This record gives sequence, structure tokens and C-alpha cells, in this order.
Amino acid sequence: KAGVTQTPRYLIKTRGQQVTLSCSPISGHRSVSWYQQTPGQGLQFLFEYFSETQRNKGNFPGRFSGRQFSNSRSEMNVSTLELGDSALYLCASSRQGALKNTEAFFGQGTRLTVV
Amino acid sequence: AQSVTQLDSHVSVSEGTPVLLRCNYSSSYSPSLFWYVQHPNKGLQLLLKYTSAATLVKGINGFEAEFKKSETSFHLTKPSAHMSDAAEYFCVVSGAGGGADGLTFGKGTHLIIQP
Repeated sequence: KAGVTQTPRYLIKTRGQQVTLSCSPISGHRSVSWYQQTPGQGLQFLFEYFSETQRNKGNFPGRFSGRQFSNSRSEMNVSTLELGDSALYLCASSRQGALKNTEAFFGQGTRLTVV
Repeated sequence: AQSVTQLDSHVSVSEGTPVLLRCNYSSSYSPSLFWYVQHPNKGLQLLLKYTSAATLVKGINGFEAEFKKSETSFHLTKPSAHMSDAAEYFCVVSGAGGGADGLTFGKGTHLIIQP
């Protein structure tokens, strides 16, 4: 069974640009969550999508947005990139999501560097 | 609201000796608790989870954790450390009450194994 796939693995962008990251969950999983990992702040919850609807949102500015498609694949978009957005972005898939306390499976992440 | 405190940012043990990684949590609801491990340049892997069944939880690779409600703790242990255990470990809480919390991660404990 294929795991969670995140693309691309590495990305370098310039300040002010926008970026789109992609996550393909495990087959049959309807929940996709996104997390930002930085050395200073650790792992922080961005948002969760379930059946194409945003179900939960963390404390991030509106520049961070996402969506989920009918096949459960999810994209995350960051507009007007700042240096502080440099981070490892992790995607997690689960059958029901955090609200149901089901196990989350993580992808290997996308390493975003903003210069 | 929920929070997690990992009491040690770094733990160093010798190969073959016991491992103890400490975690305290705070949650307004009956929590689910998890330990995840992250090896360098890899995604997060679930070690074990507590979801209000047995208080002593056994996980993969010989790890186990005990849920102590009176102490609000969920410490991770292993009787004998192996070199391959060297990694970053995260204690995670998931509330059942909904809201914007998603999974809340501790800051992580870096486990170093001395030969």
C-alpha cells in the first residue's frame, strides 16, 4: 500500500513569490492535514481538510491556504512568501482525522527555502 | 485548549541502557496521546498511541509508554537502547473536543545513543 506522497521534495523560492505544495494521501483516507516544521517553532498545525472541506485551521495568516480535491489529494498554497516561511511542510493523512483520534500517517515533507 | 511539554530537549544514553523520554500534557477533553519518531530527512512515524484503553501502551521497536492521568504524563520508555533509535521523538496530543487544535506536538526530544 502506497504511503503519503508529497511533491516536490525541495523548493527554492524568492520573497514575494507564491508556491503550491501537493499531497497525495493513502488510498481510502479522507482527511489531510498540513503542518509546518521549523527549528524555532517546532511542528505547528496549519489546517485540516476532510471530504473537500476545511474542517480545522491553525493560527496562521491568510497567506496560507489549501484545498482538497474529490480524490482526497490536497494542495497547500502560500502567497507573498516571506523569509520566515522557510520550513519543512509535512502532510498527514488519516481515515477520519484528528477529531476522531485516528492514526495519522505522514509524508516525507517538502523542504521550502525562501531567499 | 491542549498542550504538550517534553521535559528534555536532548537525552543521551549508552547503547544497551534504558531510555526514558518524558512528556506532560494538558487537555480540556479526554485526550488521545501519541509518540512519533522522526529520523533525519524522513517523515514522522507513529511509535504508539493511547486512546483510553489500557494505560500501558506497547509500540513498535520495543518502545512503550504509560498514561498516568493523575500526573498528566505519558512518558516513553525502552529497556535497551539501540544505535538505530537515535532520532527526534515527538509527544503528541489530540483532543476529542474539536476546535482548531488538530494534533498538538511537543517541541521534540533529540535522542542520542552513545556506542
